[in-house]
Amino acid sequence: GAGVSQTPSNKVTEKGKYVELRCDPISGHTALYWYRQSLGQGPEFLIYFQGTGAADDSGLPNDRFFAVRPEGSVSTLKIQRTERGDSAVYLCASSTNGRAIVDTQYFGPGTRLTVL
Amino acid sequence: GENVEQHPSTLSVQEGDSAVIKCTYSDSASNYFPWYKQELGKRPQLIIDIRSNVGEKKDQRIAVTLNKTAKHFSLHITETQPEDSAVYFCAAPKSGNTPLVFGKGTRLSVIA
Repeated sequence: GAGVSQTPSNKVTEKGKYVELRCDPISGHTALYWYRQSLGQGPEFLIYFQGTGAADDSGLPNDRFFAVRPEGSVSTLKIQRTERGDSAVYLCASSTNGRAIVDTQYFGPGTRLTVL
Repeated sequence: GENVEQHPSTLSVQEGDSAVIKCTYSDSASNYFPWYKQELGKRPQLIIDIRSNVGEKKDQRIAVTLNKTAKHFSLHITETQPEDSAVYFCAAPKSGNTPLVFGKGTRLSVIA
């Protein structure tokens, strides 16, 4: 079946611009996660959705970052006033229900964001 | 919250030899420990995971061991092959919640 998909695969923007990154989770998965991966590092948690609501947004670095999941499926990560330090690969993952901590998280291919 | 330490950061082995990567965690309540493999430019792929009710799990050439008392777990790859070359990440749940905290990764190179 179809895995987690993310668009765009690459995004180049200028400092100060606004960007949106999209994630399509595996069909039927109620839990969705956003991570950020900088070069040579492991994925770093940003925000976690259980259905439509953000169950944990403690990883968002500041108020320029925001994410939504209005219908409990597709999610959009929004970054305002981008800075060069925002450059990274943004990974999305989904899992069956996210309520049991044994759920396997399946990752998308990521969006490589470059802020010039 | 959870803190995960992983070592070594790089590991080179001859083809056919074994490779071992070790991780420690801080939250004694954690009970799920996955390992992901990430090839260059690709997404992290789950290769094996272990729950805290067992001490070891095997899947062909890959095994994971867990020591809850010492709060560490290890990935063992036997009979390594060039296609095992990748970056491997361990992880543990964040403060009992399902988002994962990842180690910094181990770059494994298998030399033919």
